[in-house]
Amino acid sequence: DAMVIQNPRYQVTQFGKPVTLSCSQTLNHNVMYWYQQKSSQAPKLLFHYYDKDFNNEADTPDNFQSRRPNTSFCFLDIRSPGLGDAAMYLCATSRQLGQGQPQHFGDGTRLSIL
Amino acid sequence: AQKITQTQPGMFVQEKEAVTLDCTYDTSDPSYGLFWYKQPSSGEMIFLIYQGSYDQQNATEGRYSLNFQKARKSANLVISASQLGDSAMYFCAMRDLNTGTASKLTFGTGTRLQVTL
Repeated sequence: DAMVIQNPRYQVTQFGKPVTLSCSQTLNHNVMYWYQQKSSQAPKLLFHYYDKDFNNEADTPDNFQSRRPNTSFCFLDIRSPGLGDAAMYLCATSRQLGQGQPQHFGDGTRLSIL
Repeated sequence: AQKITQTQPGMFVQEKEAVTLDCTYDTSDPSYGLFWYKQPSSGEMIFLIYQGSYDQQNATEGRYSLNFQKARKSANLVISASQLGDSAMYFCAMRDLNTGTASKLTFGTGTRLQVTL
């Protein structure tokens, strides 16, 4: 089945140690998104790619970076994770940026910081 | 700025009964889209239903329907014939073209639904 796949489901890293979360999609969608969801809160958009065009949200910390080497893959890099970065990270895709296009989410990666 | 409000942090419903989850929104844009997502405890976000601001009829998808009242700026989700598997967190979300990017989904704080026997 076509889907959005996030690896790993659970990631533990040390304070200040760089970590990369991965997302792949078989939907051939043009747009890929990264959301951060802290416990008992709504998801918050960090950034998105439309094809190769990167769009950062104004309030996304510089500590968070992203790469999209091809249509299928997108990575979230956290350069120096702090305790406040512990959260669920959700990857999503949509075919286009159109208003009515639903975003299809992966299962998420739950990041813990030691 | 756009805003989504879900006033019910938690709801209980008996199996086979219908339940309404409330969602109100605020936007100055006449053109917008409203979405409902389900998030089970396992974490994935599952798209349920979509309503466009210019759609004349309320959206329906199987047991899900959206009670869209544009003048009141509400987009309540109705789940009919609740099942135990419906127990989850439910998020209302909106996409507003005035945000500067047509991609951004703004989510409400969610309603946790518990279906009981």
